[in-house]
Amino acid sequence: QQQVKQSPQSLIVQKGGISIINCAYENTAFDYFPWYQQFPGKGPALLIAIRPDVSEKKEGRFTISFNKSAKQFSLHIMDSQPGDSATYFCAAGNYNQGGKLIFGQGTELSVKP
Amino acid sequence: EADIYQTPRYLVIGTGKKITLECSQTMGHDKMYWYQQDPGMELHLIHYSYGVNSTEKGDLSSESTVSRIRTEHFPLTLESARPSHTSQYLCASSVRGSNYGYTFGSGTRLTVV
Repeated sequence: QQQVKQSPQSLIVQKGGISIINCAYENTAFDYFPWYQQFPGKGPALLIAIRPDVSEKKEGRFTISFNKSAKQFSLHIMDSQPGDSATYFCAAGNYNQGGKLIFGQGTELSVKP
Repeated sequence: EADIYQTPRYLVIGTGKKITLECSQTMGHDKMYWYQQDPGMELHLIHYSYGVNSTEKGDLSSESTVSRIRTEHFPLTLESARPSHTSQYLCASSVRGSNYGYTFGSGTRLTVV
């Protein structure tokens, strides 16, 4: 019930293309869904997050789509750039559980020039 | 620019040695976490703390121990290192009510030979 499943494991996209990473969760008590971006040699950094009361959130080129009934959410990176090449993690948590996050397995994105 | 510091960044140590991985944050965050990151990228929660003198084990069983004597300091100790402990260890912090805005350190990459 605590798992968050992320796909694909790796993704190669041409510059200017759309990168799409998907996550699915099981625990319906989760009420917060952040995405983190990690560059080599660095810790993950919060990229964008969504609560289940909205179906989409957009910040610049990054959009989260959320489907509560399917228990799925996805990250879309529009106009992907080589500088977006990094590992992306989805996560899920429940406020009543004190802020602990369960992370997905990670997606290694490579944007080719 | 980092407000959460981990030392050392890299550590190679022999089997059976006792080691302490340091984590300090200057943001006054009450919640702190230790995650273990596999070579395949996945993050697993091994310890967390909601404040001074409060520590709990995470979802992944770990032979390490932690302490939280000061708000800003959350060290992780391995009494007797083994090759199976080889991994990257990431420390993170967040503030109560922050909607999970974790700040991660850059990690300690531990190799036990």
